[in-house]
Amino acid sequence: DGGITQSPKYLFRKEGQNVTLSCEQNLNHDAMYWYRQDPGQGLRLIYYSQIVNDFQKGDIAEGYSVSREKKESFPLTVTSAQKNPTAFYLCASSPPGAGAYEQYFGPGTRLTVT
Amino acid sequence: KQEVTQIPAALSVPEGENLVLNCSFTDSAIYNLQWFRQDPGKGLTSLLLIQSSQREQTSGRLNASLDKSSGRSTLYIAASQPGDSATYLCAVNVLGGATNKLIFGTGTLLAVQP
Repeated sequence: DGGITQSPKYLFRKEGQNVTLSCEQNLNHDAMYWYRQDPGQGLRLIYYSQIVNDFQKGDIAEGYSVSREKKESFPLTVTSAQKNPTAFYLCASSPPGAGAYEQYFGPGTRLTVT
Repeated sequence: KQEVTQIPAALSVPEGENLVLNCSFTDSAIYNLQWFRQDPGKGLTSLLLIQSSQREQTSGRLNASLDKSSGRSTLYIAASQPGDSATYLCAVNVLGGATNKLIFGTGTLLAVQP
């Protein structure tokens, strides 16, 4: 089965701790994305990567970091610098190139920081 | 700056009714527009993708239209069923740069009553 997996589904952390969210895809897509979803708001882009070893900041990158060492994997670290980390985090992927392609989404990770 | 608006925010209809969900965007410079479905606590499922050169796309009971010049898209659901209950999100893929960047609306929460 081709698809995107995110783990864990639920994650709980204490304030001040860094936490890493996993995203893996076996769709052979070059491009991968991280979004954040808050109640009553649309999804907002955190980081994206068009190719291995390259990534760019999205609209709300502050307090987050990513790496892209393998085509299949795009982990997101929520650092202690992120002021409101509690949210639903969604990973997506698409074929490379500007514009024409659908994005496919994973099932999401709900992060709660107390 | 591209902004995407979805109206209504919530909609409740009896089973069997045909319905229309609306999406508007402020900048017509888009590659495409994508409609998604999101069930509570889940990721996004892509429903339809309309390229900027297309006027509509159909999949089963779903029909999406695009009027790029007026900045509008509609998602028509025929003969609604309780299983259609979900949040429906539209997203535009903005022109410019090498990214496949989606700008999302805040969604329409649909409830189909049996």
